[in-house]
Amino acid sequence: EAQVTQNPRYLITVTGKKLTVTCSQNMNHEYMSWYRQDPGLGLRQIYYSMNVEVTDKGDVPEGYKVSRKEKRNFPLILESPSPNQTSLYFCASKMDREGNYGYTFGSGTRLTVV
Amino acid sequence: SQELEQSPQSLIVQEGKNLTINCTSSKTLYGLYWYKQKYGEGLIFLMMLQKGGEEKSHEKITAKLDEKKQQSSLHITASQPSHAGIYLCGAGRYSSASKIIFGSGTRLSIRP
Repeated sequence: EAQVTQNPRYLITVTGKKLTVTCSQNMNHEYMSWYRQDPGLGLRQIYYSMNVEVTDKGDVPEGYKVSRKEKRNFPLILESPSPNQTSLYFCASKMDREGNYGYTFGSGTRLTVV
Repeated sequence: SQELEQSPQSLIVQEGKNLTINCTSSKTLYGLYWYKQKYGEGLIFLMMLQKGGEEKSHEKITAKLDEKKQQSSLHITASQPSHAGIYLCGAGRYSSASKIIFGSGTRLSIRP
């Protein structure tokens, strides 16, 4: 089944403890992206990647890192999480630059930082 | 303020009634996407509009993009409980479809 897989689905962590949210897609998509969703603020793009080793900042990149060493994987790294990074995170991928088929989204990772 | 404004923010509709959700930008949109989200879950792609004046339909859902490519509407005919959820519009920024921004969503409830 074509899909974007994120892990974990739920995560509670403490301030300052490094964590990684994994994202993998099996559709051979070139473009991948991370979003966070917060009440009243909607979906905001954190980082995106156009291909292996090519990444760029979205609207809210502060406090996050990404890497794209393989086409299928696009992990999101929080080096020192803080409570304001408590959010619902989505990884997404799409086939081409024109995005004719839109982004395919993962099921989300609900992160709580205490 | 949001670059993409959606209205209304929430909507309660009697089952069987029609409804419209709007998505507006002050800038030209490069690709307009409509998604549906079940509460707390991932987004499901509905359709994409690219050309001014374009209209697409999928089952009982029709989306249109105006000629200026600054406004889109999503219309649901004869609403059903399965239509309940959050509808989000998204659009490409500039000419890059990699950087897609989203509206804050419209929460739709269907009353039996």
